[in-house]
Amino acid sequence: GDSVTQMEGPVTLSEEAFLTINCTYTATGYPSLFWYVQYPGEGLQLLLKATKADDKGSNKGFEATYRKETTSFHLEKGSVQVSDSAVYFCAFGGYSGGSNYKLTFGKGTLLTVNP
Amino acid sequence: DSGVTQTPKHLITATGQRVTLRCSPRSGDLSVYWYQQSLDQGLQFLIQYYNGEERAKGNILERFSAQQFPDLHSELNLSSLELGDSALYFCASSVAGAGGYNEQFFGPGTRLTVL
Repeated sequence: GDSVTQMEGPVTLSEEAFLTINCTYTATGYPSLFWYVQYPGEGLQLLLKATKADDKGSNKGFEATYRKETTSFHLEKGSVQVSDSAVYFCAFGGYSGGSNYKLTFGKGTLLTVNP
Repeated sequence: DSGVTQTPKHLITATGQRVTLRCSPRSGDLSVYWYQQSLDQGLQFLIQYYNGEERAKGNILERFSAQQFPDLHSELNLSSLELGDSALYFCASSVAGAGGYNEQFFGPGTRLTVL
């Protein structure tokens, strides 16, 4: 069935380090792909998205490229900050049995950035 | 602040009890989604309502039910509670209900603890 597999955490980095969080998906058709971020004590927020193959989503220095050939959507940031400490969720959206659009989430990756 | 409100923030109850979680969507949003977030299952979609009607069902147990009222707020009812129901319950809202991706805005969640 449809699923998302993302890198298990926790991930601990020093400030200004390079970040990669891997995400792969299994889905029928051509889903849209998303990264959501959850800061401590808050709900999820959309970080970036890509709606078709080879699209690159970017926001706040984060980037991810929709790779259809490897069914991947890895999240990267060149220089992380302490304020990036959060849980990151990879998700894909598609139609599940009818006309209803559904989001399927990965299990989340906890990122901690130390000063 | 996403504009989605959820009450209560925390709820502690005993096994076998029944609780009601409340969600108010962003102004103008017609769709409400409920999700359960637990350590072992991750973020699971439970159910979606659109303008008062059930639109899609996910991994929702028969002990759980939801409804959306004419003022568009929604309630999630959890009954015959078990220890395994302890989780964070998120509500999200979006403008539309189907026909493609509409960004979902998440509330801060209700943390349910079943003792």
